[in-house]
Amino acid sequence: QLQLQESGPGLVKPSETLSLTCTVSGASIISSDYYWGWIRQPPGKGLEWIGSIYYSGSTYYNPSLKSRVTISVDTSKNQFSLKVTSVTAADTAVYYCARSPYSGSSPFDYWGQGTLVTVSS
Amino acid sequence: DIQMTQSPSSLSASVGDRVIITCRASQSISTYLNWYQQKPGKAPKVLIYAASSLQSGVPSRFSGSGSGTDFTLTISSLQPEDFATYYCQQTYSTSWTFGQGTKVEIK
Repeated sequence: QLQLQESGPGLVKPSETLSLTCTVSGASIISSDYYWGWIRQPPGKGLEWIGSIYYSGSTYYNPSLKSRVTISVDTSKNQFSLKVTSVTAADTAVYYCARSPYSGSSPFDYWGQGTLVTVSS
Repeated sequence: DIQMTQSPSSLSASVGDRVIITCRASQSISTYLNWYQQKPGKAPKVLIYAASSLQSGVPSRFSGSGSGTDFTLTISSLQPEDFATYYCQQTYSTSWTFGQGTKVEIK
């Protein structure tokens, strides 16, 4: 049974870097069949795709966040990670990691439970 | 970016009602369109992928249609567990985007 679990600090100070990790269990992240992605949801608002990574390291980012976001993969730990630099209160959100198939319409078919990150001093 | 616009933003319906939610893309996206259901405090769940394919395990009362710029999600007979927020998502471009969501509430 595939499971994804987000981890990282729940509170980040303004102007600092938000760092989250997604641990994948029940399947190998080294698969040519899937992307691994991050999605966020500010409290009471809609979903925003942040970006996705392929096991080879190829990345795709939301243009509105691209200058501040880095997604990377650690195949030895079966994890992928998110970094968002220079955070502000607008980055306060529940952050989800998820898997999407490489082919077709690539829906996010498995999700983590989500982790709330608050940006505040 | 391709903009996705859902309508309505919210609706009230009764158990047993037929519900239709629409999603319009700012440019043609072929059938690179997915639908999700989200309940409060939970991660979204995919219902429909590639505009009209039912995800495994999803009840057959959910259906999707459309191509190009106009898409619909239909719930043929609304059940109590269907009260939730629904999102469309396009994956046509390399920058994926979601619609703003449609909240389905109890009438």
